[in-house]
Amino acid sequence: DTGVSQNPRHKITKRGQNVTFRCDPISEHNRLYWYRQTLGQGPEFLTYFQNEAQLEKSRLLSDRFSAERPKGSFSTLEIQRTEQGDSAMYLCASSGAGGYTFGSGTRLTVV
Amino acid sequence: GQQVMQIPQYQHVQEGEDFTTYCNSSTTLSNIQWYKQRPGGHPVFLIQLVKSGEVKKQKRLTFQFGEAKKNSSLHITATQTTDVGTYFCAGPVRNSGYALNFGKGTSLLVTP
Repeated sequence: DTGVSQNPRHKITKRGQNVTFRCDPISEHNRLYWYRQTLGQGPEFLTYFQNEAQLEKSRLLSDRFSAERPKGSFSTLEIQRTEQGDSAMYLCASSGAGGYTFGSGTRLTVV
Repeated sequence: GQQVMQIPQYQHVQEGEDFTTYCNSSTTLSNIQWYKQRPGGHPVFLIQLVKSGEVKKQKRLTFQFGEAKKNSSLHITATQTTDVGTYFCAGPVRNSGYALNFGKGTSLLVTP
């Protein structure tokens, strides 16, 4: 069990560019989640997969955001036409029967 | 909308003092989870409470779930510098399977 892995750890991008993040969950976990966290706040739910099916999306997930989980394994989160307000830590988590196991996150800075 | 509220936002204690953080929901929760996030780190799962009035202990940490399943607390006895971090409670998003609403957290600072 190597935990939840996220890449890259840091991403700096210019406003208007597209970015893609990857998450590799714990292999035994069938549920995968994306959250966003800004300074001084708790994680905010973005979306959730059970196996390859995207079951829920938050209203925070605008049409510039898309997430996939092909074959129910790793997941990607893409943000198109980034804005400065997208700057945040993007956390991926996976779960089986109990609580979440979070990855270390991808810190996005939009300049 | 559905929220979980935590108080206090910050707490600064001397090592050896006790600490308590409180979590309140406007709606009944099927369960509540607690996480700890160290500075610069990611949230780490501590515990899940499911039953009304449930009390669980992990060494110096005591977790309670209210009788009405609308509130919860985390109490740390005799804090240590290793307890430093932000403690989050999280309840299920209404009508969701497994998505969670996190509170804003209570940041604990322990000075020796």
